[in-house]
Amino acid sequence: AQKVTQAQTEISVVEKEDVTLDCVYETRDTTYYLFWYKQPPSGELVFLIRRNSFDEQNEISGRYSWNFQKSTSSFNFTITASQVVDSAVYFCALSDNAGGTSYGKLTFGQGTILTVHP
Amino acid sequence: DTGVSQNPRHKITKRGQNVTFRCDPISEHNRLYWYRQTLGQGPEFLTYFQNEAQLEKSRLLSDRFSAERPKGSFSTLEIQRTEQGDSAMYLCASIPMYGETQYFGPGTRLLVL
Repeated sequence: AQKVTQAQTEISVVEKEDVTLDCVYETRDTTYYLFWYKQPPSGELVFLIRRNSFDEQNEISGRYSWNFQKSTSSFNFTITASQVVDSAVYFCALSDNAGGTSYGKLTFGQGTILTVHP
Repeated sequence: DTGVSQNPRHKITKRGQNVTFRCDPISEHNRLYWYRQTLGQGPEFLTYFQNEAQLEKSRLLSDRFSAERPKGSFSTLEIQRTEQGDSAMYLCASIPMYGETQYFGPGTRLLVL
C-alpha cells in the first residue's frame, strides 16, 4: 500500500523567512509520480509541481524549490523569502500512474498548515 | 480554459436526507476522480471514471454512495440516507487521457445536521 507522511502538522514563520515542508513516501512501485498541491482557505487544491520517479533533478520556480531524494524516499518543498500570501495548507501526494491496471489515483499526506506572519 | 467546476459549493442537510453533487470536468478531460476530505486530513480517493466507465471504487464508497458519468462528460455523486459522518468536502478532479496531473475543482462542502 502507498503512504505519504508529512510530519509537520503546522509551521509558523515570519515573513521573509525560508521554510521547508517535509514529505516522506512509501511505495512498492518503481514508476510513480510525486506532487505538491496548495490549498488556500477557499478550499480548491492548486497544483504546484509534479515529479516522476526517474527524474531526481531538483527544481526551482521563483521562490519555490523542490528536493527529490529517492534514496531517502523524500520530496521536500522549500519556500524562500516567505510571504503572507503563502499561508495555506500544503499537501504532498503520490500517484502510481504507471499504466496497466493502475488508474493514477492520488494518495495524499495529512497536510502541513503554513502560517506566514507579517 | 475553464477549470473544473462543482455544484453546489455548499450543502447543509438533515440526517437521513439524500444529496447529489455535480462535477463538470475540464473540456476533453476524459478521466475523472472523486475524493473526500474531512477536517484536518488530506483528500481520500473515492472513485474513478474513464469516459463513462467507473473503473475503480474505494472501500470508502459504501452502498449509500453512488456515482455516475452517463455521457462521459459531467459526473454526479449521490449520497443516500446521509449520516453525520458524511460531513466533509467532496472534491472532483479531471485529467486528460495520457496526462499525469489532476486538476481539482473548488469542492462541495457538505454539512449533515
